[in-house]
Amino acid sequence: QVHLQESGPGLVKPSGTLSLTCTVSGDSIISNNWWSWVRQPPGKGLEWIGEIYHSGSTNYHPSLESRVTISVDKSKNQFSLNLMSVTAADTAVYYCGRLKTTVTTNWFDPWGQGTLVIVSS
Amino acid sequence: SELTQDPAVSVAVGQTVRITCEGDSLRRYYASWNQQKPGQAPVVVNYGKNNRPSGIPDRFSGSNSGNTATLTISGAQAEDEADYYCNSRDSSGNHQVFGGGTKVTVL
Repeated sequence: QVHLQESGPGLVKPSGTLSLTCTVSGDSIISNNWWSWVRQPPGKGLEWIGEIYHSGSTNYHPSLESRVTISVDKSKNQFSLNLMSVTAADTAVYYCGRLKTTVTTNWFDPWGQGTLVIVSS
Repeated sequence: SELTQDPAVSVAVGQTVRITCEGDSLRRYYASWNQQKPGQAPVVVNYGKNNRPSGIPDRFSGSNSGNTATLTISGAQAEDEADYYCNSRDSSGNHQVFGGGTKVTVL
């Protein structure tokens, strides 16, 4: 069974960098899947942040592209999120997910359990 | 591009409810549907033309027409009360988009 687990600080200061890691078990990070980050501000909907393929190819949300970097560590079967210059608006539950794709569709399966990150001084 | 969902819908136990998702990208890509219960991570319940992951009841079905995807819950149960989010790639194929979510209340 595939399992994803987010880890990282739960509190980040304004203007600082939010850094999270997603550890994958039950599947290889170099399998034919994309690996993605999604966030959910308190009481709001899901917002896609970005995705990475094991080759290093990435796609980012246009509104976050200037601040976000997603990377992969094949040796540790992990992928990571860095979000720079954070503000209170970046406070959210952050989810990682395996993104399975075909030519005509894609779906997140599974999702990690999520981790709450609060931006506050 | 965007995906548009109705904010909320209600259904009586045992009845059928349909949740729609509209967007230009759905003319090119099938949607996937994610169920999220309070305090929990989302779980995919349907994807593609009409596929269910193992363990998802067959009362969850998906359909598509033009720019609209529909998730149908046939014979809704109390445990189906949740937020439902549709998702697909955008028209460029390079980004993901989520609908705003539909809160399903089972009466």
